Amino acid sequence: DGGITQSPKYLFRKEGQNVTLSCEQNLNHDAMYWYRQDPGQGLRLIYYSQIVNDFQKGDIAEGYSVSREKKESFPLTVTSAQKNPTAFYLCASSMEDGNEKLFFGSGTQLSVL
Amino acid sequence: AQTVTQSQPEMSVQEAETVTLSCTYDTSESNYYLFWYKQPPSRQMILVIRQEAYKQQNATENRFSVNFQKAAKSFSLKISDSQLGDTAMYFCAFMKHNDKIIFGKGTRLHILP
Repeated sequence: DGGITQSPKYLFRKEGQNVTLSCEQNLNHDAMYWYRQDPGQGLRLIYYSQIVNDFQKGDIAEGYSVSREKKESFPLTVTSAQKNPTAFYLCASSMEDGNEKLFFGSGTQLSVL
Repeated sequence: AQTVTQSQPEMSVQEAETVTLSCTYDTSESNYYLFWYKQPPSRQMILVIRQEAYKQQNATENRFSVNFQKAAKSFSLKISDSQLGDTAMYFCAFMKHNDKIIFGKGTRLHILP
């Protein structure tokens, strides 16, 4: 089955700790995205990548980092510089072929201990 | 910069009724895409409907249809014969060609039995 897999489903971070959220897709999509969702709020773009080895900051990139070494993978690291990391994180991908639409993973809930 | 506005934070309707969710957007682009996404309590994001700006005909998907008014920059979603399973957050989204998708803050829809 093709799709996007996010792991883990739940993640806890201690003070001063970096944590990495995984996002893998087997849809052969070119573009991948990370969004943050706070309770009752919309989706805010953290980072996106339209091609391997290249990525751009979104609206709220501070305190986060990403890499895109493989087409299938786009991990997000929440660094200790992100002072309010508790949120629901969604990964998405799309094929930029004129049929633009986002396919989403099932999300990771990150909480601070 | 493009913006997406959903003016109704929350709505409630009786089962089997018709409901319309509003969305307006601001752009100077002529070639773009508009979407409605649904996020049920599971928090999985699901594409409901997609509209290409160059197409004048309004998109429909079963009980879901849109009223796309390009000059007015309006993109409302109509849900006919609403069902309990339609209870969810609904997000309007905008994307210009080969660029990132921007989401509105969402409308929480309750379908009442």
